[in-house]
Amino acid sequence: SSELTQDPAVSVALGQTVRITCQGDSLRTYYASWYQQKPGQAPVLVIYGKNNRPSGIPDRFSGSRSGNTASLTITGAQAEDEADYYCNSRDSSGHHLVVFGGGTKLTVL
Amino acid sequence: EVQLLESGGDLVQPGGSLRLSCAASGFTFSGYAMSWVRQAPGKGLEWVSAISSTGGSTYYADSVKGRFTISRDTSKNTLYLQMNSLRAEDTAVYYCAKEHTPWEGDFDYWGQGTLITVSS
Repeated sequence: SSELTQDPAVSVALGQTVRITCQGDSLRTYYASWYQQKPGQAPVLVIYGKNNRPSGIPDRFSGSRSGNTASLTITGAQAEDEADYYCNSRDSSGHHLVVFGGGTKLTVL
Repeated sequence: EVQLLESGGDLVQPGGSLRLSCAASGFTFSGYAMSWVRQAPGKGLEWVSAISSTGGSTYYADSVKGRFTISRDTSKNTLYLQMNSLRAEDTAVYYCAKEHTPWEGDFDYWGQGTLITVSS
């Protein structure tokens, strides 16, 4: 099965821009989805498809893809954006499996 | 309003069995594939299993294949996960999740999770 690799931790100054990346072979074929998870809460979908935000997700969140790397960009990070972020995608094995990245802990300074 | 409510979490001994349920409301349950995703304490998310909108196709992570069975009852708007031969490494919060785009792995709604602890 495929694997998705994320940096364990990233920090950003309040109001600045931060990019969280996700690497994996499956991303050459499938788009990544991105989830925000705060302590004790269920994950929340923030980006899906090419660069789509579900209703209620601020437009400071955006997604992109280049080759085997997907990125989640937060433009003007807010204190409430401090959370764990996970990427996922379809597995490229072709068996309708799903794979998650290991997660990135975002700290807003 | 879409709601997913898991139940069935418990403390179980290694080798034991448990069935999780996920009651869905606020959307046309029969129109969407559903998945179970788990999260071990202090760890990341791990996809466990998926079932097609009709229930006719099921998929499993290698870590649970042959031990877990996913199913759904459209008449009850409920998703299930039958877990057999449980191991310590199955200890986790189990979430049910609704797929947004067919077979894209993008889950737009999640339940609050139910905790399974496998320990003697």
